[in-house]
Amino acid sequence: DAKTTQPPSMDCAEGRAANLPCNHSTISGNEYVYWYRQIHSQGPQYIIHGLKNNETNEMASLIITEDRKSSTLILPHATLRDTAVYYCIVRVNQGGSEKLVFGKGTKLTVNP
Amino acid sequence: DGGITQSPKYLFRKEGQNVTLSCEQNLNHDAMYWYRQDPGQGLRLIYYSQIVNDFQKGDIAEGYSVSREKKESFPLTVTSAQKNPTAFYLCASSVGRHSGANVLTFGAGSRLTVL
Repeated sequence: DAKTTQPPSMDCAEGRAANLPCNHSTISGNEYVYWYRQIHSQGPQYIIHGLKNNETNEMASLIITEDRKSSTLILPHATLRDTAVYYCIVRVNQGGSEKLVFGKGTKLTVNP
Repeated sequence: DGGITQSPKYLFRKEGQNVTLSCEQNLNHDAMYWYRQDPGQGLRLIYYSQIVNDFQKGDIAEGYSVSREKKESFPLTVTSAQKNPTAFYLCASSVGRHSGANVLTFGAGSRLTVL
């Protein structure tokens, strides 16, 4: 089962910032939060990950709350090509092995 | 360029036939994964392998089999025992569990349709 909760869909105007929330209230202290996105019929693309501190790269920013129970992915200037399903993921330990469990994600639609 | 290659991209199969999906990576990653995706759904883990000659079942392993004889290769066989094999199959790899972060790199996917 996914350990994260995301809204099923969001809309954003082109050129505006897209803020995608994620709840991960059961996250452990040493677990990273990862964000991926998937454009229709393609393989998921890695965006960013973080542990405690806020992170920024050329694609997005990741804001993690101090208690680490939630995070927000920020696309600062959304374009039409950012329309995709965005997945927020944490690792799950099962039987001594670790795996990433994907939920249904948030379908972001960027409107012109 | 380093990456993951999945083949074939599209595959059609008759009921009762086994089919093998190929996944090759040249990233020198230890861990490899197979996910299944149905329309409008997230990804579900079928099998994963942390090291050569070892693999573990994921959440929906029934009707599937894998092998990991080489570090670079992790083929998935969809057997006739899989009742609903029509789906989009995604292969991924990562450096491995020993690293702090476990960033997955995905292939482009293979779409299997059972006629």
